[in-house]
Amino acid sequence: GENVEQHPSTLSVQEGDSAVIKCTYSDSASNYFPWYKQELGKGPQLIIDIRSNVGEKKDQRIAVTLNKTAKHFSLHITETQPEDSAVYFCAASKVDSNYQLIWGAGTKLIIKP
Amino acid sequence: NAGVTQTPKFQVLKTGQSMTLQCAQDMNHNSMYWYRQDPGMGLRLIYYSASEGTTDKGEVPNGYNVSRLNKREFSLRLESAAPSQTSVYFCASSETGNEKLFFGSGTQLSVL
Repeated sequence: GENVEQHPSTLSVQEGDSAVIKCTYSDSASNYFPWYKQELGKGPQLIIDIRSNVGEKKDQRIAVTLNKTAKHFSLHITETQPEDSAVYFCAASKVDSNYQLIWGAGTKLIIKP
Repeated sequence: NAGVTQTPKFQVLKTGQSMTLQCAQDMNHNSMYWYRQDPGMGLRLIYYSASEGTTDKGEVPNGYNVSRLNKREFSLRLESAAPSQTSVYFCASSETGNEKLFFGSGTQLSVL
């Protein structure tokens, strides 16, 4: 079955710098790749997603890139701010799995002032 | 907008006790899900309901049962709690599969 690996587990960056979180997936049939942000004491919240028919998607300071050949996708956050501090999860799913998401283990992003 | 509401927020059980976690959504979504979240393991799907009247097993269904009571409500039952079920449980909903999930705020369960 599908397996999603996420790196790094913890990432500390200076406020204003960029942060990059990477995920690799094992099933080449996966076609939907969302990223969720989880703040302390809350449930995860979708911040951006990408489908396999595009290579990149941007939303203000957040972007996701997808490399289907290498089977990896990345979250890019530019001009980081204190409110970006959270745990970020990647996930993958495909049509045949009835769209069941397989999740990465999460990355704790710390923004240093 | 309440979104997805879970009760209770915290619960402590003794081994062998039973309990039901409640979840309700007010977004008229077709699909609902129960996940557990453990440190270093991301989220794992316990059960899901693609539409009212249907339920299916996810990755880790053993020890759990679910009921899709109506379109709004999806409950998770632990018949005989075990320490391995200590976790944070999240309910989520979506319009259909492969779409944005909306999560509740979670239930922190400890089984002693």
